[in-house]
Amino acid sequence: GAGVSQSPSNKVTEKGKDVELRCDPISGHTALYWYRQSLGQGLEFLIYFQGNSAPDKSGLPSDRFSAERTGGSVSTLTIQRTQQEDSAVYLCASMRLSTGEQYFGPGTRLTVT
Amino acid sequence: SQQGEEDPQALSIQEGENATMNCSYKTSINNLQWYRQNSGRGLVHLILIRSNEREKHSGRLRVTLDTSKKSSSLLITASRAADTASYFCATVETSYDKVIFGPGTSLSVIP
Repeated sequence: GAGVSQSPSNKVTEKGKDVELRCDPISGHTALYWYRQSLGQGLEFLIYFQGNSAPDKSGLPSDRFSAERTGGSVSTLTIQRTQQEDSAVYLCASMRLSTGEQYFGPGTRLTVT
Repeated sequence: SQQGEEDPQALSIQEGENATMNCSYKTSINNLQWYRQNSGRGLVHLILIRSNEREKHSGRLRVTLDTSKKSSSLLITASRAADTASYFCATVETSYDKVIFGPGTSLSVIP
């Protein structure tokens, strides 16, 4: 079927507002990852979901960041009280564990003004 | 913390030349993967090499893995302008499925 989709593709928000970013993984992929990428930089791991296991939140930069994955499928990354340093492209990837290959969505470009 | 570290950070070559990028990592891994990213958006998976493999080919791509040195290299032969992109290595640790990316190598292929 379709690949990983993310919405919105672009989000401009004012400092202090909350934002929600959505990821629809490939059907059947049990693993889902969120990354953040600042301009010209590498990928920064944020959070990892695998099946029904507790998520690995070790990459979340602050308690303003949270994520959930409902029904083992769609995931939402929430950033509360956004700051200018949160501006980045947020990438989601899903993976079928049997192959180990990640499939990336197109990302959400977040700009905090 | 970063697991994979690529070098060089940036590479500029003439079309037709070969491009070699290296990646070093720190822990035991299940596999190592290379990805390409165009225009700062989604990444595309290029090739995966498992810890028990030493070399793998895919088209113009050749990947090697040396687990004793904890390093990998990606060779792109007969480069094309369309190969211009950022290339990232990513490692999957032995005891975990978390995928950690290095900072990437920016490749420019000049026509």
